[in-house]
Amino acid sequence: AQSVTQPDIHITVSEGASLELRCNYSYGATPYLFWYVQSPGQGLQLLLKYFSGDTLVQGIKGFEAEFKRSQSSFNLRKPSVHWSDAAEYFCAVGAGSGYALNFGKGTSLLVTP
Amino acid sequence: EAEVAQSPRYKITEKSQAVAFWCDPISGHATLYWYRQILGQGPELLVQFQDESVVDDSQLPKDRFSAERLKEVDSTLKIQPAELGDSAMYLCASSFGVNQPQHFGDGTRLSIL
Repeated sequence: AQSVTQPDIHITVSEGASLELRCNYSYGATPYLFWYVQSPGQGLQLLLKYFSGDTLVQGIKGFEAEFKRSQSSFNLRKPSVHWSDAAEYFCAVGAGSGYALNFGKGTSLLVTP
Repeated sequence: EAEVAQSPRYKITEKSQAVAFWCDPISGHATLYWYRQILGQGPELLVQFQDESVVDDSQLPKDRFSAERLKEVDSTLKIQPAELGDSAMYLCASSFGVNQPQHFGDGTRLSIL
């Protein structure tokens, strides 16, 4: 069965610093990969997705992610973090006939001044 | 603001009572999902609809949970009787097709007393 691992439960970065959130997946075939962001008490907003093609994908709010098949990873990056980026970030894999999402446990991002 | 509409935003009820959640997906989206998100965890699929048919309800506790969707329109998720362990955020998502990005509502926060 497919699974998603986000190794970091909490990450703290200074405003203006670069960010990388890790995501590893387990799936037999090429998965559909997603990053979502969730602000407190809110639903999830799609940041970016990978279906096929170019392994470096650009998303909204200045985020990008790189699919590395050899490492089974789909890490999220941002060159310069803003205080408004503080939120919970979820990596997800869509697989199976129904493509329902299988989410990681999330990484909580704190941005300090 | 989320395009998938959910109500109510918050629900507090006592155990053994019945509770219902409503979701109105984005117009034209044939696929609808209900997820449950326990505090500090990622969302987990409860049920998936394609049009008005259930595609996957393998994780739905059918002794107490039920879900229905009328022809490509809104959906209702019901719990009867509610238990303390049902306290969670219930998220609805919709997509144009099974392999398309899912758009989430803001969720219903359920608290069982």
